[in-house]
Amino acid sequence: AQKVTQAQTEISVVEKEDVTLDCVYETRDTTYYLFWYKQPPSGELVFLIRRNSFDEQNEISGRYSWNFQKSTSSFNFTITASQVVDSAVYFCALTADKLIFGTGTRLQVFP
Amino acid sequence: GAGVSQSPSNKVTEKGKDVELRCDPISGHTALYWYRQSLGQGLEFLIYFQGNSAPDKSGLPSDRFSAERTGGSVSTLTIQRTQQEDSAVYLCASSLAIGFNYGYTFGSGTRLTVV
Repeated sequence: AQKVTQAQTEISVVEKEDVTLDCVYETRDTTYYLFWYKQPPSGELVFLIRRNSFDEQNEISGRYSWNFQKSTSSFNFTITASQVVDSAVYFCALTADKLIFGTGTRLQVFP
Repeated sequence: GAGVSQSPSNKVTEKGKDVELRCDPISGHTALYWYRQSLGQGLEFLIYFQGNSAPDKSGLPSDRFSAERTGGSVSTLTIQRTQQEDSAVYLCASSLAIGFNYGYTFGSGTRLTVV
């Protein structure tokens, strides 16, 4: 069975703090992709990153970085120097033929 | 079109009535997915279509739910005899094809409220 677990339901930080959102996945497939999506209050899902199971290189995009570790089946997401505009629900997802989502982590960044 | 379009954006219906939700995918995208997001919850897979293949209906919660995709483009999700627990945001997504190497583009969703 495939499963994505986001144990953190809600995180609150003050602007400029760094924050890490955890994601743990389960799959028996050897080839798969992992995703992170952002869902701001407007409700639309915004694609952030896709990573395939053969590429364990960490990735950095501006204030965002992702740490993929197959050994622990984790794909964690870090926001550096958080901003109020980062406030949203963040979903981690796993796919073979369809996306399986975690339950999401609500991030609130206070000024 | 430029993105995935869903209509209506909001729908309020009385318990027991049937509703139809529409999804217009990105032109050229052969795969189309429906998800449901209940208040404060994650996204629950409902059904997907890929070209002319039989759809994967494994996520439909009951036989009151059905979906079709006409001409490989527009899809309609129908909920019969709506119940209050059907209240949720219904999201549609499309991708070039089924498979993990294709990105999904999501619509803005239809917020369904059953009163």
